[in-house]
Amino acid sequence: AQTVTQSQPEMSVQEAETVTLSCTYDTSESDYYLFWYKQPPSRQMILVIRQEAYKQQNATENRFSVNFQKAAKSFSLKISDSQLGDAAMYFCAYRSGDTLAGSYQLTFGKGTKLSVIP
Amino acid sequence: DAGVIQSPRHEVTEMGQEVTLRCKPISGHDYLFWYRQTMMRGLELLIYFNNNVPIDDSGMPEDRFSAKMPNASFSTLKIQPSEPRDSAVYFCASSFSGLAGTDTQYFGPGTRLTVL
Repeated sequence: AQTVTQSQPEMSVQEAETVTLSCTYDTSESDYYLFWYKQPPSRQMILVIRQEAYKQQNATENRFSVNFQKAAKSFSLKISDSQLGDAAMYFCAYRSGDTLAGSYQLTFGKGTKLSVIP
Repeated sequence: DAGVIQSPRHEVTEMGQEVTLRCKPISGHDYLFWYRQTMMRGLELLIYFNNNVPIDDSGMPEDRFSAKMPNASFSTLKIQPSEPRDSAVYFCASSFSGLAGTDTQYFGPGTRLTVL
């Protein structure tokens, strides 16, 4: 079974600074997808960014980017120019690429609570 | 486009009562997922459907939990009888498998259930 580990329960960053959230995962598969979701106090789970394992290029979405290290099974999220609205819980998630087996479910890490200091 | 819709947003009930949570997936999506979020266990998948058919219900904690999807635009998660340990936030999510690869799951706002 796949596992996702977020080793930082809490992080803080000064407004306008850069912060990196860590995520590691364990899998024997070669084809899979990785996601970062944001959960603000409203509880809504919002997709931040996704990465296909077969792509070597790291995904970016505006101020959000990932550092995907497939061999190390590491998938960190970098938030640049942090804003007050970035304060939230951030969850790393894994999904198998073996769709023929019907493995569409996401496996989530425990989350990292990010605080942004004005 | 409307996102995933869940109702109610909050539910407070007494132990032993039946609770029904509702979900309307994004139109055109063929997968629907029910998750439960607690402080102790984080986010857990309970069950998911493909084209209205339950595919994997191994995450359903007990026989007290049941889920149905009578059509492509509606699903329910029922707990009968409810217990205090069922208190959690329940999320519904949907995705579309037609796009090669990503089929990102989009989540509803969740239902916060409190069982007294």
